Amino acid sequence: AQTVTQSQPEMSVQEAETVTLSCTYDTSENNYYLFWYKQPPSRQMILVIRQEAYKQQNATENRFSVNFQKAAKSFSLKISDSQLGDTAMYFCAFMRGNTGTASKLTFGTGTRLQVTL
Amino acid sequence: DTGVSQNPRHKITKRGQNVTFRCDPISEHNRLYWYRQTLGQGPEFLTYFQNEAQLEKSRLLSDRFSAERPKGSFSTLEIQRTEQGDSAMYLCASSHPDRSKINSYGYTFGSGTRLTVV
Repeated sequence: AQTVTQSQPEMSVQEAETVTLSCTYDTSENNYYLFWYKQPPSRQMILVIRQEAYKQQNATENRFSVNFQKAAKSFSLKISDSQLGDTAMYFCAFMRGNTGTASKLTFGTGTRLQVTL
Repeated sequence: DTGVSQNPRHKITKRGQNVTFRCDPISEHNRLYWYRQTLGQGPEFLTYFQNEAQLEKSRLLSDRFSAERPKGSFSTLEIQRTEQGDSAMYLCASSHPDRSKINSYGYTFGSGTRLTVV
């Protein structure tokens, strides 16, 4: 079974600053996918960024980037130039990658990020 | 594409009553998932369907829970004899069979149904 751990229940960052959210995971799989999801107060989960385990290059999506350390089973999210709209719960999630299509996600407990003026 | 739709948005029920939630996925998505999210926690997998076939059920899905997707389109999740511990947000998500069309294995989530058992 896979486990995902987010050790930071809450984080705060000032607008325009950079913040890094931590995530570690445990799996015996070699082929998998990792995701960061954002859940604003409206509660709808939105995909922020994803990483395939077989890719060494870290994924980036505009202001969002990851630091994927496969050997350490670490997958942190860096948000640059933080904006008020980034205030949300952020969930790290794991998906097995050997099924040929999407499958179930295993989520961490989340990090509540507050962006302040 | 109107997204994943869940109804109702909120449901308050008395302990012991039965409740049913509905999820309408994106029309071209063949996989549909149900998750449960309690306050302050991440979503936990309950079950998923590929078309009308229920392929996996979590042990969290007790005998009081049943999910169906009879025609491979919308799905229902029923909870019988509700208990206070069932109070949670129930999330539905869907995904496309073609990995090249679903932003690489990302789901589309609905807004959820918040259940409160009193």
